[in-house]
Amino acid sequence: KAGVTQTPRYLIKTRGQQVTLSCSPISGHRSVSWYQQTPGQGLQFLFEYFSETQRNKGNFPGRFSGRQFSNSRSEMNVSTLELGDSALYLCASSLDGGGRFFGPGTRLTVL
Amino acid sequence: QKEVEQNSGPLSVPEGAIASLNCTYSDRGSQSFFWYRQYSGKSPELIMSIYSNGDKEDGRFTAQLNKASQYVSLLIRDSQPSDSATYLCAALSGTYKYIFGTGTRLKVLA
Repeated sequence: KAGVTQTPRYLIKTRGQQVTLSCSPISGHRSVSWYQQTPGQGLQFLFEYFSETQRNKGNFPGRFSGRQFSNSRSEMNVSTLELGDSALYLCASSLDGGGRFFGPGTRLTVL
Repeated sequence: QKEVEQNSGPLSVPEGAIASLNCTYSDRGSQSFFWYRQYSGKSPELIMSIYSNGDKEDGRFTAQLNKASQYVSLLIRDSQPSDSATYLCAALSGTYKYIFGTGTRLKVLA
């Protein structure tokens, strides 16, 4: 089975711009979660989608949003980028209740 | 109190020794537990899952769960320098909350 894929792998944006990141889960996985990781901060949970519905949400401002499509692919969007949004954004998919399988991540740099 | 707690380390062990990584959790409703390994610059990789009290072995790895004491541990036997990484513990509650600890950095000294 193919693993979780994320596009793009690297992205450079400037403050104030918006960005959309994409995630394709492992075939058959209906749960997709998003995380932000910065040096020394650990994994910060953004949100989880299951069957196109947001099931859980972390403590991030409304500039961070996401959605899931009927084929389980997911996108997350960050509007009005700030310097502090520079991070590795990770997507993970899972069968419901199981371990999460991470994609390689999208490294976002905000200048 | 953090929901899933781990000592940040680093935990240094000599090559060939047993590395013992510990994790405690606060939500008694947590049902499933997972260990991930993350190499620097890479994404986390699932290495073990455990759902019931006791030990679960997979190769050089043994996960241990004690729900009464609310702790989970990971033992790595015959530690190798290639095991040097950050190990993340995660717990899944009955309300689908999946909580990661902040990770323990392991250094295996050759």
